[in-house]
Amino acid sequence: AQSVTQLDSQVPVFEEAPVELRCNYSSSVSVYLFWYVQYPNQGLQLLLKYLSGSTLVKGINGFEAEFNKSQTSFHLRKPSVHISDTAEYFCAVSDLDDYKLSFGAGTTVTVRA
Amino acid sequence: NAGVTQTPKFQVLKTGQSMTLQCAQDMNHNSMYWYRQDPGMGLRLIYYSASEGTTDKGEVPNGYNVSRLNKREFSLRLESAAPSQTSVYFCASSDLGGSPLHFGNGTRLTVT
Repeated sequence: AQSVTQLDSQVPVFEEAPVELRCNYSSSVSVYLFWYVQYPNQGLQLLLKYLSGSTLVKGINGFEAEFNKSQTSFHLRKPSVHISDTAEYFCAVSDLDDYKLSFGAGTTVTVRA
Repeated sequence: NAGVTQTPKFQVLKTGQSMTLQCAQDMNHNSMYWYRQDPGMGLRLIYYSASEGTTDKGEVPNGYNVSRLNKREFSLRLESAAPSQTSVYFCASSDLGGSPLHFGNGTRLTVT
């Protein structure tokens, strides 16, 4: 199974500033990659996914992520954040032949006015 | 659309008590999962069921059992609760490999 490292546990950011959340995974074999968002007291919602094809993936709410196979990374970005983006973000990875998803520890994004 | 429904939303148990967490999905998904979420540790897989009739251990199965009752329902049982099982439990479902997981809203369990 994959292991997933989210390099920042907390990211404070001002409203309308850009944000990048970093994610690295353990193996360079072919994988599926996901970012999820969790708002307070809710379940996880899918932001975006990479299955194959273009390495730049666009998701909901203006988020995008770039897959870099050589660096085994899948960093999430948003050019201009809103207060409503305050949430916890999880990177997740699975091998192609595996049903199981491995999650990172999460990054808490706090957007301040 | 209900999606993935978990019951109960909250539960307090005393050490040694048992309980079953219920999960049902209405998306006709083949695979179902139970995760626990603890601060600073992300989500860890307890058990999963790749298809109806099969169940397999995940990363942290000790102290838990599961039943895939039918295609829709996947329950998680704590036979003798321990304080280390205080956590938020999420059920999820998905279709084929590579499909994203759909999550329930979680059960917040406290064991005293």
